[in-house]
Amino acid sequence: DVKVTQSSRYLVKRTGEKVFLECVQDMDHENMFWYRQDPGLGLRLIYFSYDVKMKEKGDIPEGYSVSREKKERFSLILESASTNQTSMYLCASSPQVTDPYEQYFGPGTRLTVT
Amino acid sequence: GQSLEQPSEVTAVEGAIVQINCTYQTSGFYGLSWYQQHDGGAPTFLSYNALDGLEETGRFSSFLSRSDSYGYLLLQELQMKDSASYFCAVGSVREGSQGNLIFGKGTKLSVKP
Repeated sequence: DVKVTQSSRYLVKRTGEKVFLECVQDMDHENMFWYRQDPGLGLRLIYFSYDVKMKEKGDIPEGYSVSREKKERFSLILESASTNQTSMYLCASSPQVTDPYEQYFGPGTRLTVT
Repeated sequence: GQSLEQPSEVTAVEGAIVQINCTYQTSGFYGLSWYQQHDGGAPTFLSYNALDGLEETGRFSSFLSRSDSYGYLLLQELQMKDSASYFCAVGSVREGSQGNLIFGKGTKLSVKP
């Protein structure tokens, strides 16, 4: 059974802290994605990675960075957390590379920055 | 630019049929996907249309018209458990980039008894 796991379900951090969100998939997928989801705004793509050490910016990369050192693990980093980064963060992976239409999502991390 | 439009809310009664429309504007279009998300849950993949026409999967069907940049999700024999948010998403590729999905803002479906 396909599985995507995220390191925390809930996280509370202070403004200015460095925050790491980790995502692991066990399906040997090439593609991995980080989204944030806010009420009324749907899912917005932050970064994605189609191979180890490869990354591409999505629609809202400002204030975030990513790391993919191993195929199964994709990390999202908030260099200096701010209150406007309070959100639900969703990680996903996909077996398709060119057209990743079928994505498998993790349970999400609800991050609160105070 | 890239954009998707879908209704924000739809209400229907149990046993009825409901159609959720999605219009899109994007470059490098590959296909239209649909996802379901229950409150507090993760999005799950429902269907995909790369070509024009209707795809049927049990009670759910999805339609695409590439010439009209339009698609819809059709849910038949509605059940209470279908109450959820439904997202359309378009596969898109930018020059010099790998493909990714652009999601709509979602349609919250409420099924009433």
